[in-house]
Amino acid sequence: QKEVEQNSGPLSVPEGAIASLNCTYSDRGSQSFFWYRQYSGKSPELIMSIYSNGDKEDGRFTAQLNKASQYVSLLIRDSQPSDSATYLCAVNYNQGGKLIFGQGTELSVKP
Amino acid sequence: KAGVTQTPRYLIKTRGQQVTLSCSPISGHRSVSWYQQTPGQGLQFLFEYFSETQRNKGNFPGRFSGRQFSNSRSEMNVSTLELGDSALYLCASSYGPPTEQYFGPGTRLTVT
Repeated sequence: QKEVEQNSGPLSVPEGAIASLNCTYSDRGSQSFFWYRQYSGKSPELIMSIYSNGDKEDGRFTAQLNKASQYVSLLIRDSQPSDSATYLCAVNYNQGGKLIFGQGTELSVKP
Repeated sequence: KAGVTQTPRYLIKTRGQQVTLSCSPISGHRSVSWYQQTPGQGLQFLFEYFSETQRNKGNFPGRFSGRQFSNSRSEMNVSTLELGDSALYLCASSYGPPTEQYFGPGTRLTVT
């Protein structure tokens, strides 16, 4: 059973701080990794994709991938109250269209 | 570019009935994947279609089925509805796996 694990949270950070979200996955053969943000009552919104080891930055977001440790993380710099949402880690195991999702980490950014 | 659209947005059905949900992908996207989201199970993969062919299937009973048309639009059908089928049904489109998937707004199905 392929698994993706995330801390459920809630993770609470003050406005302006760095929020760090973590994800581990079980299958070493995984090649594609994604972070989605989901506001309450809305559908998931893609915010980052990462395919190779290392860091990938996009604005205030940085995704980090370590395939040897089977670990993906998302850093949000200068966190804003509008970043308060559930963050979902997703892994593509077989290069097909099937994503396995973690249970999500709820982030709360306090003004 | 218009996003993924899903219809209807909300649906209330009775146990034993069947339902058909529709998904129109982003223009140019040929892959459509369907997911079920519930508070207890989270997001679970149902199936994926690419060029009208089902390429991946999740662990759902045969009551859940789908298809894709030549214009990449997709439908999913659930027959003999059960209370446990109440969920948010999401479709996501991509150019083709394993590229990024973009989700539609979802269809909220309530089975009474």
